Amino acid sequence: EVRLVESGGGLVQPGRSLRISCAASGFTFSSNWMHWVRQAPGKGLVWVSRINEDGSSISYADSVKGRFTISRDNAKTTLYLQMNSLRAEDTAVYYCVKEAVAVHDALDIWGQGTMVTVSS
Amino acid sequence: QSALTQPASVSGSPGQSITISCTGTSSDVGGYNYVSWYQQHPGKVPKLMIYEVTNRPSGVSNRFSGSKSGNTASLTVSGLQAEDEADYYCSSYTRSATLVFGGGTKLTVL
Repeated sequence: EVRLVESGGGLVQPGRSLRISCAASGFTFSSNWMHWVRQAPGKGLVWVSRINEDGSSISYADSVKGRFTISRDNAKTTLYLQMNSLRAEDTAVYYCVKEAVAVHDALDIWGQGTMVTVSS
Repeated sequence: QSALTQPASVSGSPGQSITISCTGTSSDVGGYNYVSWYQQHPGKVPKLMIYEVTNRPSGVSNRFSGSKSGNTASLTVSGLQAEDEADYYCSSYTRSATLVFGGGTKLTVL
């Protein structure tokens, strides 16, 4: 069974940092592009970042560029998102998402998400 | 990276067909055939329904179809069923090598 399990979310103060993780299983992790997508409570989906199979190609949404860093450890089949200088507007459920192989930007497997709350 | 434009809500009766539009620019929707559609029921994770404008993943009902004309992509749901009631999001690859979602459309089955 293909599974993505996020962890590391929680309550953090504005300006502080947090790293969330995503443990992947049931597929060849090193063969897939991976994404982070977030959804604020009651709001729509917002794309955050993507990373290619070996980590050599990375993109970010303008809203997080310079503050967030995506990375992966293929040996541990784990995806990460390092979030620095957090703001209240970063409060959201963060989904780890797998891109379908050889299909451009088709996000076919979603984790259950981890909630990040930025508040003093 | 402005969000793609979708209607806030659409509705239809069981058995009818509805279409949800997704409008972007020549830098995203109009420039690439990399438009996807996702269905999200309340409290659930999104589900991929259409990819590369017109393709359905295995297991998705053929009542769902996608198309594109210029800078506007569309999702059509035919033979509406109660279980189709959900939020729908479009997404597109962009010239900046990023991904952008639409604001979402709430489909109500009357």
